[in-house]
Amino acid sequence: NAGVTQTPKFQVLKTGQSMTLQCAQDMNHEYMSWYRQDPGMGLRLIHYSVGAGITDQGEVPNGYNVSRSTTEDFPLRLLSAAPSQTSVYFCASSPSTGLTQETQYFGPGTRLLVL
Amino acid sequence: SQQGEEDPQALSIQEGENATMNCSYKTSINNLQWYRQNSGRGLVHLILIRSNEREKHSGRLRVTLDTSKKSSSLLITASRAADTASYFCLTGSARQLTFGSGTQLTVLP
Repeated sequence: NAGVTQTPKFQVLKTGQSMTLQCAQDMNHEYMSWYRQDPGMGLRLIHYSVGAGITDQGEVPNGYNVSRSTTEDFPLRLLSAAPSQTSVYFCASSPSTGLTQETQYFGPGTRLLVL
Repeated sequence: SQQGEEDPQALSIQEGENATMNCSYKTSINNLQWYRQNSGRGLVHLILIRSNEREKHSGRLRVTLDTSKKSSSLLITASRAADTASYFCLTGSARQLTFGSGTQLTVLP
């Protein structure tokens, strides 16, 4: 299994540009999520999904959109990039269902620089 | 707001010593997880302790959980240079998980 994969690894954008960060998992996990990590800080939840067709907002959703058309894929879209969105983005998946979260499996991350 | 908060923020020890880091959280939990992040890399799951457990071991790792104090500790015994990393606790509801800001551990050879 490839686990959780993310593309691209690194991206430079100009202010106002849009782009999509890709995330895929081959473990048939229902739960997927996106986090951002700023220097010296922990991860903050952007959006999450508990299954295909179901998404919801996390702690810092503004400026980002997500969709979940398949179990495997969970892309994150930046609508109009801003310098404040410069960060490292991590996608994660988990077999969790119901009321209890289990082990999170993380992708390698995407480093985004917005000029 | 962050559910889990680790302390200390930074810890520097000699190889062979033990390292202890703590996590405090605010609301009730079903479980608490610890993760390691090497510089510039993704997070790796270390151990999960459920709310009805008080202590759990995995290799050189020992985790304790005190639900009455809403706190957990991670002990790494006989540390190695390869243990140098940031360590995070993860708590929260089933849908919205929250990481603390982490403890940066440096193990000196």
